[in-house]
Amino acid sequence: DIQMTQSPSSLSASVGNRVTITCQASQDIGNFLNWYQQKPGKAPKLLIYDASNLETGVPSRFSGSGSGTDFTFTISSLQPEDIGRYYCQQYDNLWTFGQGTKVEIK
Amino acid sequence: EVQLLESGGGLVQPGGSLRLSCAASGFMFSSYTMSWVRQAPGKGLEWVSAISGSGGRTYYADSVKGRFTISRDNSKNTLYLQMNSLRAEDTAVYFCAKLSIEYCPSTRCLISHFDYWGQGTLVTVSS
Repeated sequence: DIQMTQSPSSLSASVGNRVTITCQASQDIGNFLNWYQQKPGKAPKLLIYDASNLETGVPSRFSGSGSGTDFTFTISSLQPEDIGRYYCQQYDNLWTFGQGTKVEIK
Repeated sequence: EVQLLESGGGLVQPGGSLRLSCAASGFMFSSYTMSWVRQAPGKGLEWVSAISGSGGRTYYADSVKGRFTISRDNSKNTLYLQMNSLRAEDTAVYFCAKLSIEYCPSTRCLISHFDYWGQGTLVTVSS
């Protein structure tokens, strides 16, 4: 099974600040990685697919990079509506989510 | 518009059984792999199980293998999850999710992401 290790588990940043989340796979998964946002009480929403492609309609302040085992998700300028939890998910072998990162406004 | 509506959650004793249903609409149900993903209270997402469009292939997380059975009825556009031998650690909101279309970038085929989700149904395992 492929394990996904996401960090940090939570972060607090000011509006306008840059936020970075990392995700490490237990084995090489190429670029078979997606990122989701989940707001409280809601279902997750796809933001980034194939490590770096922005889903249609998602603001350009969200971006992703990486390949192999190490991936990064960035919010270039944190907005109040970005609070929630963010998850990475691999699909090289079935599907596995990272543990999630809770993003709060300082 | 794609809609997924789960039902069947509730309170069950440890060792008990429960059957979840997910009624789908707004897309060609039989053409897509469908899945269950759960989220324990205050915790992260955990993929549970998936089933191919025809129902011929099923997949399970190790944590539920041998206890849960996924199935579908394409004539009713409905996905099911039969949960047996339930444990306290199975307590979670269970989401029904549609997977994206299968694609084949090389010699193998992959299914990338969960593109539509239901609102979830809560399963509580407690005495």
